[in-house]
Amino acid sequence: DVKVTQSSRYLVKRTGEKVFLECVQDMDHENMFWYRQDPGLGLRLIYFSYDVKMKEKGDIPEGYSVSREKKERFSLILESASTNQTSMYLCASIRYSNTEAFFGQGTRLTVV
Amino acid sequence: DQQVKQNSPSLSVQEGRISILNCDYTNSMFDYFLWYKKYPAEGPTFLISISSIKDKNEDGRFTVFLNKSAKHLSLHIVPSQPGDSAVYFCAASPRRGGGADGLTFGKGTHLIIQP
Repeated sequence: DVKVTQSSRYLVKRTGEKVFLECVQDMDHENMFWYRQDPGLGLRLIYFSYDVKMKEKGDIPEGYSVSREKKERFSLILESASTNQTSMYLCASIRYSNTEAFFGQGTRLTVV
Repeated sequence: DQQVKQNSPSLSVQEGRISILNCDYTNSMFDYFLWYKKYPAEGPTFLISISSIKDKNEDGRFTVFLNKSAKHLSLHIVPSQPGDSAVYFCAASPRRGGGADGLTFGKGTHLIIQP
């Protein structure tokens, strides 16, 4: 079974802090994604990576950056956390030749 | 501009009956369609998918129907069980692997199975 693991289930951070969300997948998938889920808005794509050190912006990249130094690991960085970044963050991976993405368990981030 | 629409925020169905969840899309470039199930405080779990070359795909109690001309797909769950109570997301992609567009998701439908 594909496993996508996010480092934290719950996080509480202060406004202005730099926040790192980590994601690791064990199936050698080429493509990895970061989404955020908010009530009434569904899942929105923040960033996408198709290879080590390669990234592309999604629909809502403002206030975020990403890092992919190893194929299995994709990190989301909130440079200076703000209260409007309070959300559920979901990491996903997918093989480039497939259609089905596998998700991690999610990180519920609260910025106070 | 919402490219994938789930117009019913919630749906209540009696246990044992059929649940039908609907999804509409506007982007004619979408070729792959997926349904995900999500429990609170967990990540989405893949349920079933269909490509645009098919009009039906079945997996156990779950069947997805695709009507390309109407840009509409639906998920049928028969029979509905209490464990099916969750939020269901419809997703679409123009290519394998998701690409820079990722999967485009609808806003979800909260399915409630009544005993």
